[in-house]
Amino acid sequence: DVKVTQSSRYLVKRTGEKVFLECVQDMDHENMFWYRQDPGLGLRLIYFSYDVKMKEKGDIPEGYSVSREKKERFSLILESASTNQTSMYLCASSGGGTTLREQYFGPGTRLTVT
Amino acid sequence: GESVGLHLPTLSVQEGDNSIINCAYSNSASDYFIWYKQESGKGPQFIIDIRSNMDKRQGQRVTVLLNKTVKHLSLQIAATQPGDSAVYFCAENMYSGAGSYQLTFGKGTKLSVIP
Repeated sequence: DVKVTQSSRYLVKRTGEKVFLECVQDMDHENMFWYRQDPGLGLRLIYFSYDVKMKEKGDIPEGYSVSREKKERFSLILESASTNQTSMYLCASSGGGTTLREQYFGPGTRLTVT
Repeated sequence: GESVGLHLPTLSVQEGDNSIINCAYSNSASDYFIWYKQESGKGPQFIIDIRSNMDKRQGQRVTVLLNKTVKHLSLQIAATQPGDSAVYFCAENMYSGAGSYQLTFGKGTKLSVIP
C-alpha cells in the first residue's frame, strides 16, 4: 500500500514565522503535490513537482515555496506566515507515465497562524 | 471535527438505500476522472476512476457514470452504510506537460447516512 506521511497533524504558528511542512512518500512516485483545503473552496493546488529539484506553480503559489531535494520528500515552505494561510494542507503523490494518475493523499496538516 | 463539510451540498440517505452523488466538470479535454472519499480528520481516499473512453465503471458497491455530452459524472453507492458518511469529491485529470498530470477537484458533497 502507498503511504504518504506528513510531519505534523496540527501546527500553530505566529504571524511572520517561517513554517516548514514536510511530506514523505514510500512508493518511489515521480509526482508530488501540495494542496490547501478550505471550507467552500475545496482543494486548491499550491505547487507540484514531477521530478527531483523540479517544481511547477499550481493555482495559488503566492506566499509559498517548495523544495524537492530527494524523490521521496516534498517540502512546503511558508516564508512569512500570515493569518490567511490558516488552512488544512494536504500532500499527495502519483506515479509518472500514462498508466497511473491516481493521487494518494497524506492525512493532512491543520495549520493555524495566530 | 473537520470544517471541510461546511458550505457543502448535503445528501442525507437512509441506511440501506442507494445514494447518487453528482458532479459537473469543466473541461471537455479532461480524459480521466476520479472519485475520492474524505472522512472527517483524514486525507481524501481513492474510490473509483473512469477514463473518458468509457461511460460506466463498477466497483464494489460503487458505480461511476460519465456523460461527456453534458460533462457530468455521478457516483452511485449501493446499500449505503453508516461508514459511507463522508465528503465525496470528483476530480478531473488533465495532462499538464512534462509527464505530469494535475487534478482539478469539485467542491464536494457531504453524504450523511441515517441509521
